[in-house]
Amino acid sequence: ETGVTQTPRHLVMGMTNKKSLKCEQHLGHNAMYWYKQSAKKPLELMFVYSLEERVENNSVPSRFSPECPNSSHLFLHLHTLQPEDSALYLCASSYGDRDSEAFFGQGTRLTVV
Amino acid sequence: QKEVEQDPGPLSVPEGAIVSLNCTYSNSAFQYFMWYRQYSRKGPELLMYTYSSGNKEDGRFTAQVDKSSKYISLFIRDSQPSDSATYLCAMGDDKIIFGKGTRLHILP
Repeated sequence: ETGVTQTPRHLVMGMTNKKSLKCEQHLGHNAMYWYKQSAKKPLELMFVYSLEERVENNSVPSRFSPECPNSSHLFLHLHTLQPEDSALYLCASSYGDRDSEAFFGQGTRLTVV
Repeated sequence: QKEVEQDPGPLSVPEGAIVSLNCTYSNSAFQYFMWYRQYSRKGPELLMYTYSSGNKEDGRFTAQVDKSSKYISLFIRDSQPSDSATYLCAMGDDKIIFGKGTRLHILP
């Protein structure tokens, strides 16, 4: 365990569903990140939160909505997703707003049907 | 030209061999260089992290950075079957860019 916990580990959802991914870190970090990992593609940074404030949003469609209620918790709210959104969604945390020494969770494997 | 290039493999080597994994990059502003290991169905795990050109050693792992050639390497000595995983290079300055990852198989 890296100290970053993601739930659920697996999620299958229909295109009309609304679901949320949860991430929790117990490392005392003050920055948290959402990444998307698709087959045969590099990790794509989606969102960055530093001190609970969103500091980066990499042109992610509005059907993905992040929420960071405190420095230990990060959510990714999902609605009206598309099949191409099926991927592994990884949460990470670090000190500061540089993800240079980020610790990753195990990810949520999302399948959109 | 992609910012970070990494051969996806798969790379298969016999147990005990020295493994060499490589990435090239195009942005000379990159200052941080990392290697992550990712086992199947798990998140990436940070293996090595360095700022500067040269070598950094940690147990069986050596990370090498050559900024003049924009080339980084990870060497694994005395490779073990448990080293079988995908290895991701990552680098950047304010923003970190990941390679696609190289799948490594160590054959018993």
